[in-house]
Amino acid sequence: QAGLTQPPSVSKDLRQTATLTCTGNSNNVGNQGAAWLQQHQGHPPKLLSYRNNNRPSGISERFSASRSGNTASLTITGLQPEDEADYYCSAWDSSLSAVVFGGGTKVTVL
Amino acid sequence: EVQLVESGGGLVQPGGSLRLSCAASGFTFSSYAMSWVRQAPGKGLEWVSGISGSAGTTYYADSVKGRFTISRDISKNTLYLQMNSLRAEDTAVYYCAKGVSSGSYYAGEYWGQGTLVTVSS
Repeated sequence: QAGLTQPPSVSKDLRQTATLTCTGNSNNVGNQGAAWLQQHQGHPPKLLSYRNNNRPSGISERFSASRSGNTASLTITGLQPEDEADYYCSAWDSSLSAVVFGGGTKVTVL
Repeated sequence: EVQLVESGGGLVQPGGSLRLSCAASGFTFSSYAMSWVRQAPGKGLEWVSGISGSAGTTYYADSVKGRFTISRDISKNTLYLQMNSLRAEDTAVYYCAKGVSSGSYYAGEYWGQGTLVTVSS
């Protein structure tokens, strides 16, 4: 099943802003939006945002999501060392009747 | 507190079967969609299957369709994944995840710690 497209890696300095992208099509991201998950090595994923910019309770306001057409974005402001992790986007694909994931973006805080 | 605890993983030979379980607590189990998501060693996340809150609707990734079956027992607050005809490429950590609503499969609000399935002779 075709997945969503994410850049493999992003590196930014401490306290800077990182913007991650996730590109799909009109059947998935462009239709119902995307969710964003954070995964630290050896741990299960954690939901950061869904349906474009709904944040579960306890998620920092430094994480904000948006969508433009078929591309979803996650912006992390004021990067902290603990933000070093893999970030995945996911979406429901109405043509596949399945969930599709992006390949993940590894964020490095310099 | 929401808790999801997977079990049933292990080593199995190619062509064999395994049943994974996910014991859920801390929320109304029948009100939320549940999914299985796997992660092969060193790889990204791959959605495997989802089931609606009412258990009336199930979905599968093409890679497992016809081999895996998802189900849920509301009386036991438990989610299952029956895996048959296992292949080496099914080797992964399998997570169960709770959706944000009864029909939402793409946003796992809570995740278990995962159970490792290794398919090898």
